[in-house]
Amino acid sequence: AQSVTQPDIHITVSEGASLELRCNYSYGATPYLFWYVQSPGQGLQLLLKYFSGDTLVQGIKGFEAEFKRSQSSFNLRKPSVHWSDAAEYFCAVGGLTGGGNKLTFGTGTQLKVEL
Amino acid sequence: IAGITQAPTSQILAAGRRMTLRCTQDMRHNAMYWYRQDLGLGLRLIHYSNTAGTTGKGEVPDGYSVSRANTDDFPLTLASAVPSQTSVYFCASSQDRGNSPLHFGNGTRLTVT
Repeated sequence: AQSVTQPDIHITVSEGASLELRCNYSYGATPYLFWYVQSPGQGLQLLLKYFSGDTLVQGIKGFEAEFKRSQSSFNLRKPSVHWSDAAEYFCAVGGLTGGGNKLTFGTGTQLKVEL
Repeated sequence: IAGITQAPTSQILAAGRRMTLRCTQDMRHNAMYWYRQDLGLGLRLIHYSNTAGTTGKGEVPDGYSVSRANTDDFPLTLASAVPSQTSVYFCASSQDRGNSPLHFGNGTRLTVT
């Protein structure tokens, strides 16, 4: 069965500091990996995705993530955090097995940005 | 603006009552999904539909039913609500299965008393 672990429930960083949010996954085949962001009272918005090819993927809002198969990880990074980045971040894994794009989400990491 | 519309935005419902959460998309996406979001548990898939006329069970389908009569609409029904169904419900769609990203609605906050 596929699963996603986001070990950090809450993270606080200062504005301008770098950020790394951790994500580890379990999937029996080649995974499709996603990062989503959720602002309060809103649905989830796609930040970036990895399907194949270059293991470093660029997303919106200056975010990037690196796929490391040997570590089963897909960590999200940003060199310099802005106050508007405060939100909840979800990592998700999916693929073609079992029919349908049935993504499995992690439990999320709540990001707080200190000014 | 193209996207997913969910209704109602929020609802308080007495236990035992029947409730249908509505979801409509105007992107002509083939696949649609219902997730519930609970604190500390992330999002869990309730039901999905790969195309109009077909549905499938997700991770937590018990107590819920769905239908997909056409491409645009994917209602979620609670036949007899229980307090454990208190949650925020998100409808999502994707162009097709596989690597298409999900587009989410803004959610329905449901409280069952």
